[in-house]
Amino acid sequence: KQEVTQIPAALSVPEGENLVLNCSFTDSAIYNLQWFRQDPGKGLTSLLLIQSSQREQTSGRLNASLDKSSGRSTLYIAASQPGDSATYLCAVATDKLIFGTGTRLQVFP
Amino acid sequence: DTGVSQDPRHKITKRGQNVTFRCDPISEHNRLYWYRQTLGQGPEFLTYFQNEAQLEKSRLLSDRFSAERPKGSFSTLEIQRTEQGDSAMYLCASSLLGGSGNTIYFGEGSWLTVV
Repeated sequence: KQEVTQIPAALSVPEGENLVLNCSFTDSAIYNLQWFRQDPGKGLTSLLLIQSSQREQTSGRLNASLDKSSGRSTLYIAASQPGDSATYLCAVATDKLIFGTGTRLQVFP
Repeated sequence: DTGVSQDPRHKITKRGQNVTFRCDPISEHNRLYWYRQTLGQGPEFLTYFQNEAQLEKSRLLSDRFSAERPKGSFSTLEIQRTEQGDSAMYLCASSLLGGSGNTIYFGEGSWLTVV
């Protein structure tokens, strides 16, 4: 059974810091891995999708890497801003998405 | 492209009542998913459709839950005889196809509070 774990559960950093969010999964037989952002009380916004054959994807200040053999992905956020405050969820995909419990990020001015 | 639309956004109901949520996926998306999310947790898979066919149901989807997708367009999720443990956000998502390259897009969710 696929299990997805995210570390840390919560993170509070000052504005401007570079930070790394971690995601690990137990079964490497995945189609892809997606990172999502969720604001309080809202739905999920897709940030990045890494196909199983890829090693990383970049979008603006975000960079996500995937090491399928070790069951790990990282989301790197450069030069964090208060507007980045949200919960970040990773999910691995087969026919459906299996989610981690998320990292709650707070960036303070 | 108007995104995935869910209705209602919020529902408060008394224990024992039935509730129904509707999801309109992105047009031409043939995959539609339902998830449930409680506070502090990641979304949990409930079921998914490819066109009108319901291909997988989670063990979380008890006999009180039923989902349909007539004609492969919008979908409904009905909860019968609601219990307080059903209080959660119900998320709908859609994608063009399954497989490696297809992003899954989520709606804003429908909050259910059972009192």
